[in-house]
Amino acid sequence: QVQVVESGGGVVQPGTSLRLSCAASGFTFINYGMHWVRRAPGKGLEWVALISYNGDNKYYADSVKGRFTISRDNSKNTLYLQMNSLTAEDTAVYYCAKGGGRTVTTWFDYWGQGTLVTVSS
Amino acid sequence: QLVLTQSPSASASLGASVKLTCTLSGTYSTYAIAWHQQQPEKGPRYLMKLDSDGSHYRGDGIPDRFSGSSSSSGAERYLTISSLQSEDEADYYCQSWGTGIEVFGGGTKLTVL
Repeated sequence: QVQVVESGGGVVQPGTSLRLSCAASGFTFINYGMHWVRRAPGKGLEWVALISYNGDNKYYADSVKGRFTISRDNSKNTLYLQMNSLTAEDTAVYYCAKGGGRTVTTWFDYWGQGTLVTVSS
Repeated sequence: QLVLTQSPSASASLGASVKLTCTLSGTYSTYAIAWHQQQPEKGPRYLMKLDSDGSHYRGDGIPDRFSGSSSSSGAERYLTISSLQSEDEADYYCQSWGTGIEVFGGGTKLTVL
């Protein structure tokens, strides 16, 4: 069955960096775009970034542009999110999601359980 | 600008039905959307993709108690949950997508009485 499992969350200080990973299984990873979505405490879901199936297209939410970088390793079926210059506003549970269609932007048809990132001094 | 609007909260009784609404902004009434459910302390779960003509495609394992529909203009999209169960108490989000962007509605918190 399709599974995406996030890892790499933790407690970090403001201004530092963190890299999240998402291990995918149960589907042909190279065929689908992948996404990061977050949910801050007391807030709703916020899309963060997407990467196309081959990594050629990447898009970011304005709130993270220039600080976060999405990437993927299709040989390892793994998605990454490099987060730099973290602030308290980045505190959230981060979810990995699989694109449902073959276009660059699309709905999400499978989600992970999330990994918690806490930015605090 | 693609904006999705949802009511912050809704409630209905156990065994009853409830209809949640997602409104697409302006000229985006022809865009497809998706509905997702997030139960407390869990990751979101994809429920269905819903086209402007009301055609909907449920995700794997989603029971037919969950159905989607659209208004005649397409601007309003609905998620109807019938035979409400306690585990349906959750946050429900609509989602759509455009060129280089993905957008969520603010979410509706459903309380099952």
